[in-house]
Amino acid sequence: LAKTTQPISMDSYEGQEVNITCSHNNIATNDYITWYQQFPSQGPRFIIQGYKTKVTNEVASLFIPADRKSSTLSLPRVSLSDTAVYYCLAGAIKAAGNKLTFGGGTRVLVKP
Amino acid sequence: DTEVTQTPKHLVMGMTNKKSLKCEQHMGHRAMYWYKQKAKKPPELMFVYSYEKLSINESVPSRFSPECPNSSLLNLHLHALQPEDSALYLCASSYGAVHSGANVLTFGAGSRLTVL
Repeated sequence: LAKTTQPISMDSYEGQEVNITCSHNNIATNDYITWYQQFPSQGPRFIIQGYKTKVTNEVASLFIPADRKSSTLSLPRVSLSDTAVYYCLAGAIKAAGNKLTFGGGTRVLVKP
Repeated sequence: DTEVTQTPKHLVMGMTNKKSLKCEQHMGHRAMYWYKQKAKKPPELMFVYSYEKLSINESVPSRFSPECPNSSLLNLHLHALQPEDSALYLCASSYGAVHSGANVLTFGAGSRLTVL
């Protein structure tokens, strides 16, 4: 599992676009990038996954440059209910010694 | 059914008690996971079962004992816990192989454990 680095927190306002960039410099050839959203006292929820270029679904877009050393999650027109922690994962769970399979996450606060 | 169901939602236990957390999924997923999450921290992997066999044990203390009775059920048996074990315990499952680079996890809502 490639180590990931994300900003600790981000503030935004309702209706704005939020972009969260994740660095994964040592991503392996067969690793995908997956993003999860977590609300307090709930389990993380899958948002989007991609391998390269751009992926879009009904809730978000994921941009991955050609070198795949980073990725950007884009949340269009956020609302108050998008306030959550967003986690980026790059790759698979590996065997022993990989205790921290989630990165630190980005705490997004959407203000009215 | 696209859910992972965890019971109980809340559990309070003393340090000498024996209790169990339960997790169930009926999505045909072949891998199941236990994570521990402390407040304001990311989930931390504890155990992984793949095809009902323990695949990964992240050096978790023996007071936590996982069990996978069948492909749909996962238990976490708790005994002689410490107050620092108080946390949100999350169960997850995935269809893909554990070491697949495209694995997507489906999480339950968690069991909030308080050890007195």
